[in-house]
Amino acid sequence: ETGVTQTPRHLVMGMTNKKSLKCEQHLGHNAMYWYKQSAKKPLELMFVYNFKEQTENNSVPSRFSPECPNSSHLFLHLHTLQPEDSALYLCASSQDPGGFYGYTFGSGTRLTVV
Amino acid sequence: GIQVEQSPPDLILQEGANSTLRCNFSDSVNNLQWFHQNPWGQLINLFYIPSGTKQNGRLSATTVATERYSLLYISSSQTTDSGVYFCAVYGSSNTGKLIFGQGTTLQVKP
Repeated sequence: ETGVTQTPRHLVMGMTNKKSLKCEQHLGHNAMYWYKQSAKKPLELMFVYNFKEQTENNSVPSRFSPECPNSSHLFLHLHTLQPEDSALYLCASSQDPGGFYGYTFGSGTRLTVV
Repeated sequence: GIQVEQSPPDLILQEGANSTLRCNFSDSVNNLQWFHQNPWGQLINLFYIPSGTKQNGRLSATTVATERYSLLYISSSQTTDSGVYFCAVYGSSNTGKLIFGQGTTLQVKP
């Protein structure tokens, strides 16, 4: 375990479903991130939260809705997804907002949209 | 934005062999990390190396920031080294953004 925990590890959902991904860190970090990893593509940054405030939305479709209730928890709410949204979704955290001291990643949630 | 290129894209080694992975980046960076992604998808931080050389067991890394590249050395490779190796940089103009290369997929055969 890296200190960043993601649940569930695997998720299969239909295009009309609503589901949520959860990320939790107990490292005392102040920034949290969602990344998407699709097959044969580099990791893509989706959202950045610093001290619970969203500071980056990398042109992500509105069917992905992040929530950060506190510095230790980050959610990604999913609704009316498309099959091309199937991917590995990775959560990360860093001590400082700039990530100057490095990022720590969770194990990811492998999402399949059917 | 900053571009990160890794080479080679794929690498097959016999167990016990040594290898060097390269990461080139197009602009000045605040910091750089090397990650190993295991077959289950987890990204494990190997090195946090903005400049200089670090070693951890059979792995070592060198970053020459002025020439915009970093190298990851794997010596006496083992089958457990298989997976994808990513280089990621924090651009000096992209605070809070970790930009990844496309990765090097390593397969170590017994």
